[in-house]
Amino acid sequence: ILNVEQSPQSLHVQEGDSTNFTCSFPSSNFYALHWYRWETAKSPEALFVMTLNGDEKKKGRISATLNTKEGYSYLYIKGSQPEDSATYLCAFPMEYGNKLVFGAGTILRVKS
Amino acid sequence: NAGVTQTPKFRVLKTGQSMTLLCAQDMNHEYMYWYRQDPGMGLRLIHYSVGEGTTAKGEVPDGYNVSRLKKQNFLLGLESAAPSQTSVYFCASSRRASGRAYNEQFFGPGTRLTVL
Repeated sequence: ILNVEQSPQSLHVQEGDSTNFTCSFPSSNFYALHWYRWETAKSPEALFVMTLNGDEKKKGRISATLNTKEGYSYLYIKGSQPEDSATYLCAFPMEYGNKLVFGAGTILRVKS
Repeated sequence: NAGVTQTPKFRVLKTGQSMTLLCAQDMNHEYMYWYRQDPGMGLRLIHYSVGEGTTAKGEVPDGYNVSRLKKQNFLLGLESAAPSQTSVYFCASSRRASGRAYNEQFFGPGTRLTVL
């Protein structure tokens, strides 16, 4: 069974702070790494799907990096805003295909 | 486009009762999935389907059955509900995986199920 770990479990920051969190995954048989954002009372929405070692993706103030050799990905949020408050999930395919194993998530709360 | 829809949104069952959750997608996606979400555990895959007429087990399939008779619909059945099946159930869909172009999943709004 694949193990996808996220840290920290939760994070409280002030508006304007920059923050980052980590997703660790098995470094062997890498296919892809997904990041999703999950706001309270909504459904998860994809942020990034990353496939290549050294990949760096950006969407507005959110960016992600990928290191497949050591098995980790970082998600960065620059200048956090209250609307960034959500649970951030990473997920790793079990095998060739799209069956995902999700981490437990990092809960981010941004105080104004 | 409605995207991925789920019916019902909420349901309370008594132990031993049966029910079916319906997921529908209008994006012509090949793949569909059922997850459950429990506190502190993230999303866990129950069953999935890579096309009409095909289904397969995920991480936690026991106590559930599924059917994919039409490409746009994926049904999740509980034959004899147990309190351990109290959870929030999410359906998702995605395009077929092609080479390394792994595709994001699109999620429905969830069904909150309580089994007493």
